[in-house]
Amino acid sequence: NAGVTQTPKFRVLKTGQSMTLLCAQDMNHEYMYWYRQDPGMGLRLIHYSVGEGTTAKGEVPDGYNVSRLKKQNFLLGLESAAPSQTSVYFCASSPSGTVIGETQYFGPGTRLLVL
Amino acid sequence: GNSVTQMEGPVTLSEEAFLTINCTYTATGYPSLFWYVQYPGEGLQLLLKATKADDKGSNKGFEATYRKETTSFHLEKGSVQVSDSAVYFCALRLNYGGSQGNLIFGKGTKLSVKP
Repeated sequence: NAGVTQTPKFRVLKTGQSMTLLCAQDMNHEYMYWYRQDPGMGLRLIHYSVGEGTTAKGEVPDGYNVSRLKKQNFLLGLESAAPSQTSVYFCASSPSGTVIGETQYFGPGTRLLVL
Repeated sequence: GNSVTQMEGPVTLSEEAFLTINCTYTATGYPSLFWYVQYPGEGLQLLLKATKADDKGSNKGFEATYRKETTSFHLEKGSVQVSDSAVYFCALRLNYGGSQGNLIFGKGTKLSVKP
C-alpha cells in the first residue's frame, strides 16, 4: 500500500514550457486535491475533485488545469509555465470529503522551478 | 472568510523545553481542527485532530484542545526532542454540506530543537 505518490519529485522548466504532474493513490479515495506551498503562505488549494470525471476550482486555479479520468489518478497541468508557479506542489486524497474529522493523506510533493 | 492564524516562527528551543504553538481560527459553523507536521524534505503528516468543542487531540506527546469560546487550537508538548524539529501547520476543515472538504491552512511554524 503506497498511499499517495507523486511524479516527478523535482523539475526545472523554462518560462512558457508545459508539463503535467501526476498524483496517484491506491486507497480508493473519492476526493483528491492539489495544493501549492510557498514560503510564508502555508498551503493553498489549486483544484480538487470529488470523484472520477469531476474537477473544480480552488483558491488559486489560474494557470493550471486538471483531469481525473481514473479514480486513482489526478493530473495537474501547466500549459505555459511562469516563474510565479515556482513552488512545491502537494497532492492529497480523502475517502469522501464529507465525514466530520476525516483525514487527508498527502503525497511527498513535487518541487517545481520555473526559470 | 474562513482562515487560520498561527504564530510566526521560527521557534528555537532547547531539548526538554516546553512547547506552545498558538493557533486561532475564523470559520463558518463548527469546523474540524487539525495539526499537521512536515519533516524536512517530506510531505505533511497528520499529527492530531479534534472535531468538536472541548475535544482534546493527542499524539506522540503533543496535545491540542478545541476551544470554541476563544476559537483556538493551540499545540503543546511538555518536553520536546531534537526529532521534533519540523514545520507545524494548523488547519481547519468545514463541516457543512456543499463544502469542498479541503483543508484551510495556517502559514506554518518552523520549530528547531537544539540538543
